[in-house]
Amino acid sequence: QKEVEQNSGPLSVPEGAIASLNCTYSDRGSQSFFWYRQYSGKSPELIMFIYSNGDKEDGRFTAQLNKASQYVSLLIRDSQPSDSATYLCAGGGSQGNLIFGKGTKLSVKP
Amino acid sequence: DAMVIQNPRYQVTQFGKPVTLSCSQTLNHNVMYWYQQKSSQAPKLLFHYYDKDFNNEADTPDNFQSRRPNTSFCFLDIRSPGLGDAAMYLCATRSGRADTQYFGPGTRLTVL
Repeated sequence: QKEVEQNSGPLSVPEGAIASLNCTYSDRGSQSFFWYRQYSGKSPELIMFIYSNGDKEDGRFTAQLNKASQYVSLLIRDSQPSDSATYLCAGGGSQGNLIFGKGTKLSVKP
Repeated sequence: DAMVIQNPRYQVTQFGKPVTLSCSQTLNHNVMYWYQQKSSQAPKLLFHYYDKDFNNEADTPDNFQSRRPNTSFCFLDIRSPGLGDAAMYLCATRSGRADTQYFGPGTRLTVL
């Protein structure tokens, strides 16, 4: 069974701090990984994707991938209350399908 | 703007009364997906189309059907909704040349 695991949280951080969201995956064949942000009652919105080992930065967001450890993370710098949402990690599976984790709920306190 | 559109955004139906949810896209993507998402759960893939090729997930109930009459449109039919089918239904699309999926706004289904 191919799985993506995330800590469901809630993860609470103060405004301005770094939020660190983590994800592990079981399918060593997965080549691509995605982070989606989902506000309550809304649909998932793509934040970042990463294919290669190492870091990928986009504004306040940094995705990190370690294929040897089967580990993906998302760092959010200078966290804002508007970042409060559930963050879904997904790994690319067969036929281009995505395997989603259950998501980590992030709360940024003013 | 190119986008994925879902209609209606909110749908209320009665137990056992058939319902159809609609998805359209202006991205000209080959692949269209339907997901079911319940509260605090991951999106669950129901089925997808690669062009006209239909791919059903093994655990998708027979109560759920889909049609894709052309590249732009895809429909989800629930033949006899049960209380357990109340959920957010998400449509997503993907270009055949890339892995990234783009989601529509979703349809929230309530079954009375």
